[in-house]
Amino acid sequence: GQNIDQPTEMTATEGAIVQINCTYQTSGFNGLFWYQQHAGEAPTFLSYNVLDGLEEKGRFSSFLSRSKGYSYLLLKELQMKDSASYLCAVFGGATNKLIFGTGTLLAVQP
Amino acid sequence: NAGVTQTPKFRVLKTGQSMTLLCAQDMNHEYMYWYRQDPGMGLRLIHYSVGEGTTAKGEVPDGYNVSRLKKQNFLLGLESAAPSQTSVYFCASSYSMGRSGGSIPYEQYFGPGTRLTVT
Repeated sequence: GQNIDQPTEMTATEGAIVQINCTYQTSGFNGLFWYQQHAGEAPTFLSYNVLDGLEEKGRFSSFLSRSKGYSYLLLKELQMKDSASYLCAVFGGATNKLIFGTGTLLAVQP
Repeated sequence: NAGVTQTPKFRVLKTGQSMTLLCAQDMNHEYMYWYRQDPGMGLRLIHYSVGEGTTAKGEVPDGYNVSRLKKQNFLLGLESAAPSQTSVYFCASSYSMGRSGGSIPYEQYFGPGTRLTVT
């Protein structure tokens, strides 16, 4: 079967660093996506990993290990506006479908 | 570019009524998707389309039908609404592998959502 696991909730302090983990088991692999979703809004694209390693984009970085079925999203210099849900999603390849995890709700506190 | 748009934004239905949700994209994407999002359940795929005139079932297709008569439009129909279909519905679109023109294949662009309540 196909399964994506990520923590339900996390709390962090403004200015700090937080790492959100994602583990997956899917049939085939054509890339892993991270999306950000603020309450009441649509998901927006953050990052894409298809090869092992770290992808850095400003304050956000995403890491992938295909052999371990593992990814993480790293958010640095946290700001209050980073309070949102972070969705891990894997493109399984064989099915033309993106499989989403249930999301991690991040609360950034002053 | 408007990106992905959805009509309507909000709707209240009574049990047994029917309705159609319209999704439109102006990015010339081949793939289009309909999701529903419920608290604690994440995004679940209802139906999707890999091209004009084609549709396929996703994870939770029962009670829904779709059509893709034009490349830019993807319609989601509820023939007889039930309270279990109360949800937020998102449409998304993406390029396919090999047609992304340098963009990330399969990156999905989402519409603003439709909040549907069935009483």
